[in-house]
Amino acid sequence: QVHLVESGGGVVQPGWSLRLSCTGSGFSFSAYAMHWVRQAPGKGPEWVALMSYDGTNKFYGDSIKGRFTISRDNSRDTLYLQMDSLRTDDTALYFCARDPGSGVLDYWGQGTLVTVSS
Amino acid sequence: EMVLTQSPATLSVSPGESATLSCRASQSVSSYLTWYQHKPGQAPRLLIYGASTRATGVPARFSGSGSGTEFTLTISSLQSEDFAFYYCQEYNNWPPWTFGQGTKVEIK
Repeated sequence: QVHLVESGGGVVQPGWSLRLSCTGSGFSFSAYAMHWVRQAPGKGPEWVALMSYDGTNKFYGDSIKGRFTISRDNSRDTLYLQMDSLRTDDTALYFCARDPGSGVLDYWGQGTLVTVSS
Repeated sequence: EMVLTQSPATLSVSPGESATLSCRASQSVSSYLTWYQHKPGQAPRLLIYGASTRATGVPARFSGSGSGTEFTLTISSLQSEDFAFYYCQEYNNWPPWTFGQGTKVEIK
């Protein structure tokens, strides 16, 4: 079955960097667009970034544009999120999600927690 | 900027009763709306896409309706495993993808 596992979260100070990973299994990873979505404590989900199945197209949410970079390695079935210049308001549970190309996020991982605090 | 407003924020329901959740869009999203269920510590689960189509494996007690700016998720005969958070999300004119703030369905 489809399985997505995020990793790389942790506690960092403002201004630091962190790289998240999301590994997929149970499906043809290279055939799907992939998203990052985050959810801050007590708030609704916020879309962060999308990468097309082949890596040629990327889109970012306004709140992280210029600071975060999405990438993927289809040979490793892995999606990445490089997060630079982290701020306290980036504190959230970060999820990766699969998109068959329709704009529907049909499978999600359980998330990895990022805490930015001094 | 698209805004999705969900109501109520919390819904207290007894097992076996039905629940009706609302999602209102600030502008039309046609039928490009999904509903997700999320239990803390678990992966969010897609329930409904295209406003009314159940995702694979979703029980028939979950139904979605609406188009344009007004949408409803109905859960008939609530089971213990249905107590969770529910979010709507639109995908009409991405990017970006916009989510609602959620409705918590709790045991009464």
